Amino acid sequence: QKEVEQDPGPLSVPEGAIVSLNCTYSNSAFQYFMWYRQYSRKGPELLMYTYSSGNKEDGRFTAQVDKSSKYISLFIRDSQPSDSATYLCARNAGGTSYGKLTFGQGTILTVHP
Amino acid sequence: DGGITQSPKYLFRKEGQNVTLSCEQNLNHDAMYWYRQDPGQGLRLIYYSQIVNDFQKGDIAEGYSVSREKKESFPLTVTSAQKNPTAFYLCASSAAGGRDGYTFGSGTRLTVV
Repeated sequence: QKEVEQDPGPLSVPEGAIVSLNCTYSNSAFQYFMWYRQYSRKGPELLMYTYSSGNKEDGRFTAQVDKSSKYISLFIRDSQPSDSATYLCARNAGGTSYGKLTFGQGTILTVHP
Repeated sequence: DGGITQSPKYLFRKEGQNVTLSCEQNLNHDAMYWYRQDPGQGLRLIYYSQIVNDFQKGDIAEGYSVSREKKESFPLTVTSAQKNPTAFYLCASSAAGGRDGYTFGSGTRLTVV
């Protein structure tokens, strides 16, 4: 089992829809969780990070962490064509894995006008 | 502007050749990382370095080598021992522990010809 599992999609939604992107993880030692957005042929850029259970909002984006279920989600409200990209979830464990990020496979999202 | 620069953007390698990918950062980050990205497989860690003159193997280090002689620089050499080197290579850097996430470069696309 991979440490971080993510549905690769692809996911296609109309403009204005609410998008839900999800990941599960298997190691309860995971401390920090992050979401990255990657446009085609570019490096990923950090969207959000959190280290606690619950919700964190930033504009149209909400990151949700449920440590009891080992489940993390990213919600995008009022989705726009410019949100079309690959979304990667990641976790950063502490201890001997200090500083290393493990990524999910990425979900390809297309928002069509 | 602070950032992380990868060069070249595109690189072609003949069978049996070694090639070196450049990664430079001016963010004063202690840690640097190399990832490989293949379609449908997400990002896989090749090597990482938490401090100058020290580095550790990641999950897929075979056929690759690195050096960290300066804080700003973390070049990756793809050796002839790497049997399937065609991929998108991403360099990243972070503050110690990676707690605030990574900053990625724009990537190098390596193709074997």
